[in-house]
Amino acid sequence: EPEVTQTPSHQVTQMGQEVILRCVPISNHLYFYWYRQILGQKVEFLVSFYNNEISEKSEIFDDQFSVERPDGSNFTLKIRSTKLEDSAMYFCASRGFTAGNTIYFGEGSWLTVV
Amino acid sequence: KQEVTQIPAALSVPEGENLVLNCSFTDSAIYNLQWFRQDPGKGLTSLLLIQSSQREQTSGRLNASLDKSSGRSTLYIAASQPGDSATYLCAVHSGGGADGLTFGKGTHLIIQP
Repeated sequence: EPEVTQTPSHQVTQMGQEVILRCVPISNHLYFYWYRQILGQKVEFLVSFYNNEISEKSEIFDDQFSVERPDGSNFTLKIRSTKLEDSAMYFCASRGFTAGNTIYFGEGSWLTVV
Repeated sequence: KQEVTQIPAALSVPEGENLVLNCSFTDSAIYNLQWFRQDPGKGLTSLLLIQSSQREQTSGRLNASLDKSSGRSTLYIAASQPGDSATYLCAVHSGGGADGLTFGKGTHLIIQP
């Protein structure tokens, strides 16, 4: 079965450093997402991306965050200057064309900011 | 703003029992509702997707129902097994141009052998 893959699985970074999390969505999918889950809390929506631009973002997704699809397969989340409160599991997800399609999630990238 | 609540927060039952997990949402204007399974430290595995026009979906021992007008969904697990132990998350895909899923906090399920 096709799957969403994410790298790295775990990253430790110092506060103030830039971090890039990478994702390879399912190949024929058109909508891409980033979510995060702080330990013990709900999964929260960050951003959706379609047709090479952001289609929706939450209030969490401030100027410190950016997303990019640098080529035909990768989808990245960049955090410019990490804060302690950015420590979380970050999930990439993708879905097909229609709103009724199932959204598929990757295994997550666990980010620890020290 | 859509809010999703899951009850109970945790549940521990002996193997073989049938059980029901509950999910409620505040805004009934939804595209669909998805149930996910999350194992500790792992990603989200989609279990069932119910479109707003549907009343229920079944997959194996799992059955999910949706009552959109009352803002409720249930996930029924038949003949539970220890391998069903996980956190079960309910997520709503709202309408009105909102594309992100709104998640509940989940029900942490333990099936005792």
